[in-house]
Amino acid sequence: SAVISQKPSRDICQRGTSLTIQCQVDSQVTMMFWYRQQPGQSLTLIATANQGSEATYESGFVIDKFPISRPNLTFSTLTVSNMSPEDSSIYLCSVARTDGDTQYFGPGTRLTVL
Amino acid sequence: QKEVEQNSGPLSVPEGAIASLNCTYSDRGSQSFFWYRQYSGKSPELIMFIYSNGDKEDGRFTAQLNKASQYVSLLIRDSQPSDSATYLCAVNGPGSGTYKYIFGTGTRLKVLA
Repeated sequence: SAVISQKPSRDICQRGTSLTIQCQVDSQVTMMFWYRQQPGQSLTLIATANQGSEATYESGFVIDKFPISRPNLTFSTLTVSNMSPEDSSIYLCSVARTDGDTQYFGPGTRLTVL
Repeated sequence: QKEVEQNSGPLSVPEGAIASLNCTYSDRGSQSFFWYRQYSGKSPELIMFIYSNGDKEDGRFTAQLNKASQYVSLLIRDSQPSDSATYLCAVNGPGSGTYKYIFGTGTRLKVLA
């Protein structure tokens, strides 16, 4: 499985600000995803990060709130914009070598919005 | 109706016993099934995946799939306190898109020493 890192590992932010989370993989992968895990909840897919094109967002998530970049096959960023306390959550990136392949998760970013 | 259902637990078993975790899914076209373990404050870690009906064994873990009944289970033999975690069932397939996982809410397992 790939080695996945995320930065930052945690952050405390003020309402109305934005935070960019980075996900780095040690090898090229076709698929990269961003998930949210709210306290006590399971994982919800935010979007699929597509290399060289706009991300594919799931229902309930929009690009203005969660802009995503994927400049190459090993790196992606997720920005949480104009944050509110409801955005307090763990944000996880996952990767799969090909479409339909097993997904592996990064260590996550724990975000608290005051 | 939830797409992937799990009993939230906690499921408590004594050390050395067999822990049985169950998951049902609603999309009959689902093709791939995964079990992840998540320790508190950590990210999900893949335990096993299964694609075909029947049993698949890996060490102390056995995944069981019954597509006709739309359930998948995970057995943990000789349970250890270190197995105490939340176990997430994930399903993907035609209904959700080949790469989209639908996660259950997880079952919290407590292994008592």
